[in-house]
Amino acid sequence: GDSVTQMEGPVTLSEEAFLTINCTYTATGYPSLFWYVQYPGEGLQLLLKATKADDKGSNKGFEATYRKETTSFHLEKGSVQVSDSAVYFCALSESITGGGNKLTFGTGTQLKVEL
Amino acid sequence: NAGVTQTPKFRVLKTGQSMTLLCAQDMNHEYMYWYRQDPGMGLRLIHYSVGEGTTAKGEVPDGYNVSRLKKQNFLLGLESAAPSQTSVYFCASRPIISYEQYFGPGTRLTVT
Repeated sequence: GDSVTQMEGPVTLSEEAFLTINCTYTATGYPSLFWYVQYPGEGLQLLLKATKADDKGSNKGFEATYRKETTSFHLEKGSVQVSDSAVYFCALSESITGGGNKLTFGTGTQLKVEL
Repeated sequence: NAGVTQTPKFRVLKTGQSMTLLCAQDMNHEYMYWYRQDPGMGLRLIHYSVGEGTTAKGEVPDGYNVSRLKKQNFLLGLESAAPSQTSVYFCASRPIISYEQYFGPGTRLTVT
């Protein structure tokens, strides 16, 4: 089946630092790609998405570009804030038997931003 | 709109006990999902439903049952809880027109 690999955490940065969280995938076909964020004690929220090659998803200063040639979808932000501290999940959408789709997630990367 | 809601938020069970987790969505979504989240493993799909009255197995269905009698509700049952089912359970839903899923706040279950 399809799979997602993302960098191990935790990642600790100072406020206003540049953030990169690496994500690579293996898939048959051309899945949609997502970044979800999970704040402490909460569910997952969609951060951004891209549905085809070279698409750039962006939201709240975060960006990620769908790179088919490197099968990657790295998350970046130019200047992180303490409020960005959370766990970030990379995911892809794949079709499953019986119709519909499922999201296949990476293991998550914890980000901690300090003053 | 409340989005996706889950009840209860927390629960402690003894081994062998049963319980049902309720997921409700008010977005008229066709698809609904149950995932479990364990440390270092991301989220794994337990069961899913592509519409009212339908259910199907995901990656880790053993020990769980589900029902989707109404479009807005998706129930996850544990007939005989085991310590290996200690986890955080998330429900999600999505519309037909998009692959993005909307998640509930989760249920933290501990089986002792």
